[in-house]
Amino acid sequence: DADVTQTPRNRITKTGKRIMLECSQTKGHDRMYWYRQDPGLGLRLIYYSFDVKDINKGEISDGYSVSRQAQAKFSLSLESAIPNQTALYFCATSDSEGQGPLDEQYFGPGTRLTVT
Amino acid sequence: QKEVEQNSGPLSVPEGAIASLNCTYSDRGSQSFFWYRQYSGKSPELIMSIYSNGDKEDGRFTAQLNKASQYVSLLIRDSQPSDSATYLCAVTGGNYGQNFVFGPGTRLSVLP
Repeated sequence: DADVTQTPRNRITKTGKRIMLECSQTKGHDRMYWYRQDPGLGLRLIYYSFDVKDINKGEISDGYSVSRQAQAKFSLSLESAIPNQTALYFCATSDSEGQGPLDEQYFGPGTRLTVT
Repeated sequence: QKEVEQNSGPLSVPEGAIASLNCTYSDRGSQSFFWYRQYSGKSPELIMSIYSNGDKEDGRFTAQLNKASQYVSLLIRDSQPSDSATYLCAVTGGNYGQNFVFGPGTRLSVLP
């Protein structure tokens, strides 16, 4: 089984709808992240969480909210979806106790979201 | 100036050649540097991490870091068609804190 899973994998929704993307991990990592990826723009950080009680805004948090329900679960919500939120969304995890000065991130398979 | 810059490509190399991918970053205090490979429609996969100036080799991959020039590169020896993908450079530390800042990626095409 994959260490980092995301549901749903694909979603088409209409403008104004509320949608939740979910991420679960079995890696035992304490840190979790949400990114979106748009063609030519690379990965941009939406929100991140270093533990269950720690939630932080990233570069592009407007229009998004998150919930860290448990160490292993981190969900991303779009309260009122708009077409320019159409993108590929990735969840990632990392371990603060890793071997490097700042440890690597491991990515889930992604959720392709289309807002019409 | 973008914080992490990469040539978007595509970079085309013949099979068996050396592919050289480059990345520059703006924050001189950056501490850790990563190369990810991403196939179309798939998630990024970590290839290399490097923390100190110099070269780090892992199989056909070599990462090179020059903090004075704020430059990190990835060399792929004996390139294979299966290496065709987008390569993302990521930087963390310094003003970025413990967040990763990704470059836009370089698309590599290895021609049989």
